[in-house]
Amino acid sequence: ETGVTQSPTHLIKTRGQQVTLRCSSQSGHNTVSWYQQALGQGPQFIFQYYREEENGRGNFPPRFSGLQFPNYSSELNVNALELDDSALYLCASSLAGVLSDTQYFGPGTRLTVL
Amino acid sequence: LAKTTQPISMDSYEGQEVNITCSHNNIATNDYITWYQQFPSQGPRFIIQGYKTKVTNEVASLFIPADRKSSTLSLPRVSLSDTAVYYCLDTNAGKSTFGDGTTLTVKP
Repeated sequence: ETGVTQSPTHLIKTRGQQVTLRCSSQSGHNTVSWYQQALGQGPQFIFQYYREEENGRGNFPPRFSGLQFPNYSSELNVNALELDDSALYLCASSLAGVLSDTQYFGPGTRLTVL
Repeated sequence: LAKTTQPISMDSYEGQEVNITCSHNNIATNDYITWYQQFPSQGPRFIIQGYKTKVTNEVASLFIPADRKSSTLSLPRVSLSDTAVYYCLDTNAGKSTFGDGTTLTVKP
């Protein structure tokens, strides 16, 4: 059983650019959620994908978008980067259909916007 | 999903038992209670989950009273490596709202 993986580990972008972050779900999981974690704060829910469709969204603007692929891997895209987008981006996979489904997190991608 | 309430920080010494209590004032009937541990610059790591009463695994115990308005994570005999941030969450269908967590510092 493989765990959740994310790439890249670190990324530096400048304001106004676009970025794509990638996530591979844990084997057997069909749902992926993305979180943003600013320094010193808890993770904030961005959105969740299930069966390649968005299945819930937090308080984030439309320039944050995502994709889920048939193999359940996922991408987070952020357009028009702002300085405040600098954070650790986490993805978590789970198995839908079970109320107690546990989310398993990847190691995160550290994004720095200059 | 509701945000939970927990102490900002706690200190302990190696070998002691640590209990971290969380308030779940707005927990819904279908929500589970889940605890995560997070080290700096790493993703949260699942510790334990329960619905009610007591759950125990190889690393912790979780106590949930009948009204489910609170939960207590118990870590037996902590070590320096247990220094981390601990989050309690109400979870439902893979969706969670994180609070700011409890920073546990274990001293020698």
